[in-house]
Amino acid sequence: EADIYQTPRYLVIGTGKKITLECSQTMGHDKMYWYQQDPGMELHLIHYSYGVNSTEKGDLSSESTVSRIRTEHFPLTLESARPSHTSQYLCASSDSKRETGELFFGEGSRLTVL
Amino acid sequence: GQNIDQPTEMTATEGAIVQINCTYQTSGFNGLFWYQQHAGEAPTFLSYNVLDGLEEKGRFSSFLSRSKGYSYLLLKELQMKDSASYLCAVMDSNYQLIWGAGTKLIIKP
Repeated sequence: EADIYQTPRYLVIGTGKKITLECSQTMGHDKMYWYQQDPGMELHLIHYSYGVNSTEKGDLSSESTVSRIRTEHFPLTLESARPSHTSQYLCASSDSKRETGELFFGEGSRLTVL
Repeated sequence: GQNIDQPTEMTATEGAIVQINCTYQTSGFNGLFWYQQHAGEAPTFLSYNVLDGLEEKGRFSSFLSRSKGYSYLLLKELQMKDSASYLCAVMDSNYQLIWGAGTKLIIKP
């Protein structure tokens, strides 16, 4: 049911590289989110957006940036990747008009920084 | 601080019933969610409770007691495909989701 896509699904890069994780949704949702999740751990909010040209920082935002120029697109950029950035990155969206406001997740981008 | 507590791991038998508990301490409350996450996959929405009581959806039910800061997810007629992690999340007064670490449910034949 969910139409939210992330690329790349898997990425292995060296320390110091700049990377952008792409996220697109075709559901017209106004809210979008980036989460980081390590195995067996809770999701940590990195950035979120309530609409075009709106971006807010979450708990783990200090080393990354996002943009929301179009409703459907919410890319996440790491300016200089470090081994500590090795993790699973999950993009999600939600519709503020839905009563439950549940999140729809993409399949994730698994990043390994050597 | 805000926190969500749920058991790390549970084991149950195929065909049986299992209850996964979640307790929370958050600044305000605007709803509690349960998500299912299979290994290596993204979480998918299961249920939402904002008022006290039981919400039933097929084999899955979710209960909420706001006064106790407590919820549970009840899974009936367990199937092998129910083997997954179950995430409890609470929306606080700022409409931000606070996530638990998840309960890994292992189903044995």
